[in-house]
Order: sequence, then structure tokens, then C-alpha cells
Amino acid sequence: EVQLVESGGGLVKPGGSLRLSCTASGFTFSSYSMIWVRQAPGKGLEWVSSIDGTSGYIFYADSVQGRFTISRDNAKKSLYLQMNSLRAEDTAVYYCAREFSSGWYWVDYWGQGTLVTVSS
Amino acid sequence: DIQMTQSPSSLSASVGDRVTITCRASQSISTYLNWYQQKPGKAPKLLIYGASTLQSGVPSSFSGSGSGTDFTLTISSLQPEDFASYYCQQSYSPPRTFGQGTKVEIK
Repeated sequence: EVQLVESGGGLVKPGGSLRLSCTASGFTFSSYSMIWVRQAPGKGLEWVSSIDGTSGYIFYADSVQGRFTISRDNAKKSLYLQMNSLRAEDTAVYYCAREFSSGWYWVDYWGQGTLVTVSS
Repeated sequence: DIQMTQSPSSLSASVGDRVTITCRASQSISTYLNWYQQKPGKAPKLLIYGASTLQSGVPSSFSGSGSGTDFTLTISSLQPEDFASYYCQQSYSPPRTFGQGTKVEIK
């Protein structure tokens, strides 16, 4: 069974930093691109960042470019999101998710999400 | 980045109604379009990929169509469990952006 478990969320002051982690199980982690998607309270889904299986292709949304860094450790089956210079508008539930590709791309498994609150 | 625009942002409908949600891309994305359903407090669930291919296990009351820039998600007969939010996502190129969502509420 595929499982994705996020951790590391919490309350942080504006300008602060936080590191999210996602531990994967039930599939060959290194074979899949992984992504972070966030959802602000009462709002829609926002694609944040993606990383391919070898960490060779990394992409960011414009809203986090230069502040967030995605990374992965295939040996530990873990995905990370280092978030710096946090702003109030970064407050959201952050989902770790697996991206499936077969010519098309889609998200087929999601974690339960971890809440990040940026507030003074 | 490719912008995705959904309409309407919300709608009220009754059980048994036919419901259509539209999604427009800011540039052509061929059929690289996914649809997800999300219920409150839950992670999204894939319904359709490739604009029209139903994910395994999804009821046949759901269908998708379109190509290029204009797409639709249709629920042929709304069931109580279909009241949820729906999101389109372009998978043509990163960042694989989502639409802003459509909330389907009970009339």
C-alpha cells in the first residue's frame, strides 16, 4: 500500500524558516517524481514544486521561487521542502504527493497534509 | 506559466441533475488535462486524466471532454456523494497548475 506521511508543519513567524518532510512507503520511491501542493484555508489547490526521481529536474511556482527548496533522499525514501523567508500568504496545508507519468502526468497518491501557519 | 480558469466557482444543484464544469487554459495544452474531486478535510482524488480517460474505480457518471484550451467535466446524474469541490490541472508543462476550483453544493 502506498503511503505518504508529512511532518514538520507548525507555527512560524513571518520571515522565519521551516522544513517539511515526507516519508514514502509501498512503492519504489526513486522511480517517481514527487511534488508539493498547498491549500490555504478555504482556498483552492496550488502546485508548489516538483522534483524528478534523480533530482535532475526541479521546478517551482513563481510564488515560492527563490524562497523554497525541494529535495529528496532516495535512500531514506524521503522528500523535503525547505521554506525560508516565510510570509503570511504561505499559510496552508502542505501536501506531499506522487506524480505518475505514462506520457500523461497526474497525481495519484497524496499524503494527509501538514499545516503551516505563518503568523506573528 | 499556464493559467487555468474554471467556471463557475460554485454551483447549487439537486440530486439527479446534470452538472457541467468548464476549464480554460491560457494556451493550448492538447489533452494534458486532469480533473480531481476533493471533499472537506480530505486529499484530492483523481477522476480523469488525458482530458477524457476515467481513472479506474470512478463512476461512469463522470466524463471529460475537450482539447486545446477548452475542457469540460460533466456529471450526468448528480449523486449525494458527488457534492464536493472539483479542480482541473494542466499536465502539459511544469508548473502543472490547477484551476481555482468549483464547489458543487446541494440546492
